[in-house]
Amino acid sequence: GENVEQHPSTLSVQEGDSAVIKCTYSDSASNYFPWYKQELGKRPQLIIDIRSNVGEKKDQRIAVTLNKTAKHFSLHITETQPEDSAVYFCAASKEGSYIPTFGRGTSLIVHP
Amino acid sequence: GAVVSQHPSRVICKSGTSVKIECRSLDFQATTMFWYRQFPKQSLMLMATSNEGSKATYEQGVEKDKFLINHASLTLSTLTVTSAHPEDSSFYICSASSADRTDTQYFGPGTRLTVL
Repeated sequence: GENVEQHPSTLSVQEGDSAVIKCTYSDSASNYFPWYKQELGKRPQLIIDIRSNVGEKKDQRIAVTLNKTAKHFSLHITETQPEDSAVYFCAASKEGSYIPTFGRGTSLIVHP
Repeated sequence: GAVVSQHPSRVICKSGTSVKIECRSLDFQATTMFWYRQFPKQSLMLMATSNEGSKATYEQGVEKDKFLINHASLTLSTLTVTSAHPEDSSFYICSASSADRTDTQYFGPGTRLTVL
């Protein structure tokens, strides 16, 4: 089955810096890669996603890149703010199998 | 759109009792619902997947007699933790997907279960 590795497990940055979270996946058939943000005690919320026919997608301060050949994808947050502090999960799934495999999560701490 | 509610948000029960958690899709028809368990500072662990009107598919290691899942309608799924024990204490989160966006999951707010 699919295996998703996520790094780092913890990321501490100063407000205004950029943050990058990286994930790798094992199943070359995976073609959908969502990212979720989960604040403490709350539900995971989809913040951005990318499909395998696209190499990069951007939404304001958040961007995701995908390298199909290397089987890795990354989340980039620019101009970080304290409210970006949360746990971020990457996931991978494939068409026809709608069950995603989640990474272990990255705890992002943005210091004011 | 794509709102999923979960009830109750918190529950405390005595060991040996059963607890039912409801998951509802409020503004769309959820053809598939998922139940996850999350331990502190850990990732989401998929427990089971259920499609409306059919039996749930449980992940390896999840006891189907312990965690009863019912998906009776396109907007409601329930998880019943039977004969709960302290080790069942956890954060339980449901999610739902619709027929037109099968790869996108919308999560409920979660239920914090504490078994004394």
